[in-house]
Amino acid sequence: NAGVMQNPRHLVRRRGQEARLRCSPMKGHSHVYWYRQLPEEGLKFMVYLQKENIIDESGMPKERFSAEFPKEGPSILRIQQVVRGDSAAYFCASSPYGGRISDTQYFGPGTRLTVL
Amino acid sequence: DAKTTQPPSMDCAEGRAANLPCNHSTISGNEYVYWYRQIHSQGPQYIIHGLKNNETNEMASLIITEDRKSSTLILPHATLRDTAVYYCIVSGGSGNTGKLIFGQGTTLQVKP
Repeated sequence: NAGVMQNPRHLVRRRGQEARLRCSPMKGHSHVYWYRQLPEEGLKFMVYLQKENIIDESGMPKERFSAEFPKEGPSILRIQQVVRGDSAAYFCASSPYGGRISDTQYFGPGTRLTVL
Repeated sequence: DAKTTQPPSMDCAEGRAANLPCNHSTISGNEYVYWYRQIHSQGPQYIIHGLKNNETNEMASLIITEDRKSSTLILPHATLRDTAVYYCIVSGGSGNTGKLIFGQGTTLQVKP
């Protein structure tokens, strides 16, 4: 059973460009979480999605950031007009049951975004 | 804010047991205690979780006090590859969407 896959693993963008980060959950998992880790800081929750639904976006910046998890295909975290402060590691995690009690999240290897 | 308190760092000799403490005095009745670790800059790795009973798997043991206000993660025979940041997280419970709130964790350094 393949683990959570993220691509690209490394992404370089210039200020003002768009960044698209992809996350393919583990087989059988229909719940995806995105987290961000800024340099020298801890992991911060961003958004929780089920197929075709955003369940909890309380950690998402109000502007420039969006996420989706379509019926078919990977979950996408999209950052428009990137700024240097967006440089970070972005991790996604998947789980089989979502917010239910005792549901374990499994993390991908992350995407390292560097904004020049 | 994280609902747990952990020491910022600990050392352990290779081959010895590593005991990592965690305080979660405000835990509610249906919240679970989860442990994850992050080796260097890799994605966090799930270790173990529990509600009230002690748990053991191939990686570690989790000891939860009877009042559930604290717990200890035990790595029985630490190796150099266990050097990582260990996170104790309280999650689950009614109304919770399952998001994990990471604190600063404990940096465990296993020494030869």
